[in-house]
Amino acid sequence: AQSVTQLGSHVSVSEGALVLLRCNYSSSVPPYLFWYVQYPNQGLQLLLKYTTGATLVKGINGFEAEFKKSETSFHLTKPSAHMSDAAEYFCAVSGVFSGGYNKLIFGAGTRLAVHP
Amino acid sequence: DAGVIQSPRHEVTEMGQEVTLRCKPISGHNSLFWYRQTMMRGLELLIYFNNNVPIDDSGMPEDRFSAKMPNASFSTLKIQPSEPRDSAVYFCASSSLGEYGGNTIYFGEGSWLTVV
Repeated sequence: AQSVTQLGSHVSVSEGALVLLRCNYSSSVPPYLFWYVQYPNQGLQLLLKYTTGATLVKGINGFEAEFKKSETSFHLTKPSAHMSDAAEYFCAVSGVFSGGYNKLIFGAGTRLAVHP
Repeated sequence: DAGVIQSPRHEVTEMGQEVTLRCKPISGHNSLFWYRQTMMRGLELLIYFNNNVPIDDSGMPEDRFSAKMPNASFSTLKIQPSEPRDSAVYFCASSSLGEYGGNTIYFGEGSWLTVV
């Protein structure tokens, strides 16, 4: 069975500091991994995803994530935080369920606060 | 390109009333998802359609909730009768996820429901 654990429900950083949001997954098959961002009062927007190939994935707004199979991790980073990065971030894994269909399993989310 | 379109964006209704939320998925997508988001429970998958057929409705809270997808371009989520605990943001999402788990799921802006 597939599952996702996001470490830290709230993360606070200063503007210009490194952003690191942690995600660990469990999957019995090669996983497809996703990071979504939700800005206040909006829907979820894809930041980046890993399917196959290069393990370092670059996304929108300067974010990137590295797939580490040995650590079962897919942590999200950004070198320098901006005030506009304040949002909730969701890690997700695509899992195969009965009937052979895939669906996304989301972590609980991490709320990122950026302070001046 | 038009994204996932949901209506209404906001609804306030009285307890006991019927609520119908509507969704138009992205053209060409064959998978449709209804999610519910609350502060207490986070993001929950309510039901998942593939090719207009409900595949997994294990997340539907109770019989007061029902969902239909009469064709590839329209889905409804109905709550009858509504209760205050149904207050939440309801997201519709679509994808060509199917049997390949690496495709992106695209979310609508959400329907913000308040039951008083």
